[in-house]
Amino acid sequence: QKEVEQNSGPLSVPEGAIASLNCTYSDRGSQSFFWYRQYSGKSPELIMSIYSNGDKEDGRFTAQLNKASQYVSLLIRDSQPSDSATYLCAVFTGGGNKLTFGTGTQLKVEL
Amino acid sequence: KAGVTQTPRYLIKTRGQQVTLSCSPISGHRSVSWYQQTPGQGLQFLFEYFSETQRNKGNFPGRFSGRQFSNSRSEMNVSTLELGDSALYLCASSWTEGASALHFGNGTRLTVT
Repeated sequence: QKEVEQNSGPLSVPEGAIASLNCTYSDRGSQSFFWYRQYSGKSPELIMSIYSNGDKEDGRFTAQLNKASQYVSLLIRDSQPSDSATYLCAVFTGGGNKLTFGTGTQLKVEL
Repeated sequence: KAGVTQTPRYLIKTRGQQVTLSCSPISGHRSVSWYQQTPGQGLQFLFEYFSETQRNKGNFPGRFSGRQFSNSRSEMNVSTLELGDSALYLCASSWTEGASALHFGNGTRLTVT
C-alpha cells in the first residue's frame, strides 16, 4: 500500500464547476497535510495546509481533513481554466519525519 | 524576498560521470530538502538537512549524497551516474525541520546519456 494515494486522473470539469480532489494516506499518526499545485514544466507551489479535522477555506479553495477515515480532500469552487494543473497531496508523518507526496491528480478545466 | 534558487537549471551528463547541484534557500530558512521527480514515480524524497546536519534520508543508493553549509545553502552530489538518474531534482526550503510547509525552487533538469 502506498503511503499517500491519489487518483491520477485526468479529472475534467467544466469552467465554473466545483472540482473535488481526493487523497488517502496510510499512516494514522500523520500530523500535517498539504496541497501543492504544479503547472506543467514548473515546480510545485503550496496552496493549502491543514492540520486538524474539518474544513479550511482560502478563497476558492477548501481543504477538508478526516483523520478517522485517513483522507484529505481539496475543493476548488468556480473552477477556471487557469486551475488546470497537477495537484499534489503531501502528508507529513512524524514517525518518518518526512513529507511524502502522492503522485498527483491532473485537473483539466474545460471552457 | 527572493525564492529558492537552484543552479544549474539544466545539465547533460554521460553515464559514469558525477554531478553536483546547488540550492540556496529562502533567506531565514534553515531546512533544505531534496526531491527527485520522474513521470513514473512522482516526487521521491532524497534527504533533508537542518543546521548542517542530515536529519532524514530517503531510499536512494549511496551514490546520492548531500551537504549543507553554515549559510544554509545546500549541495547534492550524484556519483557514477546511471541512465535512470535522469530526472528533475527539486530543492525545497522551510523555516524549520519537521512539519513545516516547503517552498520549492525551479529545479535542475538532469539528463544522463
